[in-house]
Amino acid sequence: GNSVTQMEGPVTLSEEAFLTINCTYTATGYPSLFWYVQYPGEGLQLLLKATKADDKGSNKGFEATYRKETTSFHLEKGSVQVSDSAVYFCALSSSGGSNYKLTFGKGTLLTVNP
Amino acid sequence: ETGVTQSPTHLIKTRGQQVTLRCSSQSGHNTVSWYQQALGQGPQFIFQYYREEENGRGNFPPRFSGLQFPNYSSELNVNALELDDSALYLCASSLWGGAYEQYFGPGTRLTVT
Repeated sequence: GNSVTQMEGPVTLSEEAFLTINCTYTATGYPSLFWYVQYPGEGLQLLLKATKADDKGSNKGFEATYRKETTSFHLEKGSVQVSDSAVYFCALSSSGGSNYKLTFGKGTLLTVNP
Repeated sequence: ETGVTQSPTHLIKTRGQQVTLRCSSQSGHNTVSWYQQALGQGPQFIFQYYREEENGRGNFPPRFSGLQFPNYSSELNVNALELDDSALYLCASSLWGGAYEQYFGPGTRLTVT
């Protein structure tokens, strides 16, 4: 079945540091890939997505590239801010079958200190 | 454009009771999915509804059931509540298809005592 493995947290960075959160996946077919962010006490917000190999998703300074050869979708940001502190989830959506459920990783807690 | 809304926000129930959670999908979306998120974990897929029919279920027992209405809103029902059912229940709406992103509501925090 489908699965997502992402970097164990927590990750603690200073403001303006470079961020990488690793994500690899196992899936049949050609899944779409997503990063979601969850702020304390809230639901999930879509951060970015990519639907085919070599696509780059980007939003709010975050980027991730769909790498089919390494089955990866690593999240990066060049300069983090305190407001980026949250839990980040990598997810994939199956490419067919009876439904299009999202399969999530366990999440990575990011804390950015001033 | 109205986003996904869920009610209630919080709920406390006793083991063995039944609960109904509600979700209104985002305007224009025809698919609703439900997820259970235990503390410190990623969301787990419960089931998905499209055209008022269940379209796929995760590893959850039959006491978890749902409905989708003609206006695409949805309910999640859980019978015979167990302590392990305590979690954040998230509803997500989308268009049908794997390339379409799912938009999540704020969730319902269920506590079973």
